[in-house]
Amino acid sequence: GENVEQHPSTLSVQEGDSAVIKCTYSDSASNYFPWYKQELGKRPQLIIDIRSNVGEKKDQRIAVTLNKTAKHFSLHITETQPEDSAVYFCAASIPSSNYKLTFGKGTLLTVNP
Amino acid sequence: DTGVSQDPRHKITKRGQNVTFRCDPISEHNRLYWYRQTLGQGPEFLTYFQNEAQLEKSRLLSDRFSAERPKGSFSTLEIQRTEQGDSAMYLCASSRLLGQGTYEQYFGPGTRLTVT
Repeated sequence: GENVEQHPSTLSVQEGDSAVIKCTYSDSASNYFPWYKQELGKRPQLIIDIRSNVGEKKDQRIAVTLNKTAKHFSLHITETQPEDSAVYFCAASIPSSNYKLTFGKGTLLTVNP
Repeated sequence: DTGVSQDPRHKITKRGQNVTFRCDPISEHNRLYWYRQTLGQGPEFLTYFQNEAQLEKSRLLSDRFSAERPKGSFSTLEIQRTEQGDSAMYLCASSRLLGQGTYEQYFGPGTRLTVT
């Protein structure tokens, strides 16, 4: 089955700096890659996603890039703010597997004011 | 609130007891997923429904676990003879078909189960 690795497990940045979280996946059949933000005690919230026919997608301060050849994708957050502090999860899904999500282990992002 | 809802939010039970959780997906979402999340880990897939049909079950879902989705609306997840290892957050997510054959999944707030 699909395996998703996520790095780093923790990331601490100063407010206003950029943050980058990287994920790799194992199954080349994966074609959908969402990113979720989970604050303590809350539900995972979909913040951005990318499909395999696109190399990059941007939404305000958040961007995701995908390299299908290398089977890795990354989340970029610019101009970080304290409210960006949370655990971020990447995931991958395969059409033939009912699009169930396989998640990475998460990155705890701390933005220091 | 038109998002995914789950009930109860918290459940404390003694080992050996049965528990049942409910998930109400976003209306018109025909796909429903259950995941389990333990501390410090990402959610792990348990089972999947398309309308009322349960189409996939993870190996994580032992025979003590059963899930239903009658009439293709809400879903229930039952755990029989609970064990301490069942303690986790149980998350439900729903989705519908979008263009290009991919699905955005929206999560409920989860049910946190503690088995004592």
